[in-house]
Amino acid sequence: GDSVTQMEGPVTLSEEAFLTINCTYTATGYPSLFWYVQYPGEGLQLLLKATKADDKGSNKGFEATYRKETTSFHLEKGSVQVSDSAVYFCALSETSGTYKYIFGTGTRLKVLA
Amino acid sequence: DGGITQSPKYLFRKEGQNVTLSCEQNLNHDAMYWYRQDPGQGLRLIYYSQIVNDFQKGDIAEGYSVSREKKESFPLTVTSAQKNPTAFYLCASSIEPQETQYFGPGTRLLVL
Repeated sequence: GDSVTQMEGPVTLSEEAFLTINCTYTATGYPSLFWYVQYPGEGLQLLLKATKADDKGSNKGFEATYRKETTSFHLEKGSVQVSDSAVYFCALSETSGTYKYIFGTGTRLKVLA
Repeated sequence: DGGITQSPKYLFRKEGQNVTLSCEQNLNHDAMYWYRQDPGQGLRLIYYSQIVNDFQKGDIAEGYSVSREKKESFPLTVTSAQKNPTAFYLCASSIEPQETQYFGPGTRLLVL
């Protein structure tokens, strides 16, 4: 079945550092890909998405490009802030017709001032 | 303001007790979902509903039940058959099954 693998955390960075969180997927079809962010004690918020190969999703300085050839959707930000500290989840929508989402295990980011 | 609400924020369950988690949306979305989140793990799908009066089991449906009598409501009951119910429960909805899912704030269930 479809699956998502993302890098283990925690990731600890200093403010203004460059961020990359790796995400790779396995899917039989052409899924839509998502990054969600979760702040402590809250639900998930959609950060960005891409629906087809070579699409770039972007929001609040975060970017991710749908790479079909490497089955990847890595999250990047050029300069992180303390307020970016959260857990980030990569997800895909199944292509089997159920439209279920498959989530990665999450990557905790901690940004130090 | 349109959105998804979940209540209560915290819920305590005694042994052998059934408890019901509420999920309401005023976004006019057709599809609704329940996920379970355990520490250090991704979200796992419990049940989903693509339209009113219809729902399907997800990956971990055992010990849970749902109903979808109204478009805006999708309550989840954690039954006494669920032996390890302590977790964070998240409800989500999407305008159509294939569209982006949006999440509520979650309910944390604890066992006394």
